[in-house]
Amino acid sequence: DAGVIQSPRHEVTEMGQEVTLRCKPISGHDYLFWYRQTMMRGLELLIYFNNNVPIDDSGMPEDRFSAKMPNASFSTLKIQPSEPRDSAVYFCASSLQDRGLGGKLFFGSGTQLSVL
Amino acid sequence: SQKIEQNSEALNIQEGKTATLTCNYTNYSPAYLQWYRQDPGRGPVFLLLIRENEKEKRKERLKVTFDTTLKQSLFHITASQPADSATYLCALVRGSQGNLIFGKGTKLSVKP
Repeated sequence: DAGVIQSPRHEVTEMGQEVTLRCKPISGHDYLFWYRQTMMRGLELLIYFNNNVPIDDSGMPEDRFSAKMPNASFSTLKIQPSEPRDSAVYFCASSLQDRGLGGKLFFGSGTQLSVL
Repeated sequence: SQKIEQNSEALNIQEGKTATLTCNYTNYSPAYLQWYRQDPGRGPVFLLLIRENEKEKRKERLKVTFDTTLKQSLFHITASQPADSATYLCALVRGSQGNLIFGKGTKLSVKP
């Protein structure tokens, strides 16, 4: 298996532009997570899906952020409009088991986002 | 509020020594705790999971302990090697929804 695949690896954009991050989870995994990582705040959970349905989006910072999972093999995280404070590394992760049973996360390599 | 704290941002040790990393948490009653390794420019990679009814778990040179009374987990790497240099993250499940919450990590540097 190729693991969790994220694209692009790097994204540089100007403030106010729309940014779309993409993720392909590991085949057969039924949970998908979006995290954001910064030096100041570490890894923060933004939103997670179970069987393509958003379960908890309480970590999404504001209405500028949205996430979708149209099918089991694809998810997007969109920021519109982007702001410099959105600059961070965004990770997608997938998992097979119910969280309560101790399912481990498989992370992608992340998207380094820079908003100028 | 619920917090996870890893004892230090950075830890420097000599090759061959045992590295000990600490993870403390407050206002949690987690069913289990996980440890991950993260290398620069990469996503975290799962290492070990320990459940609340387990006191200790081992995997090769790695050992994890879990003290639910102290609300603390210790992560040990014995006979450390320069290749062990990385950032190590602990993670806990928050509440009934199963969200995995991470500490900020400890950057370990093993010098030859």
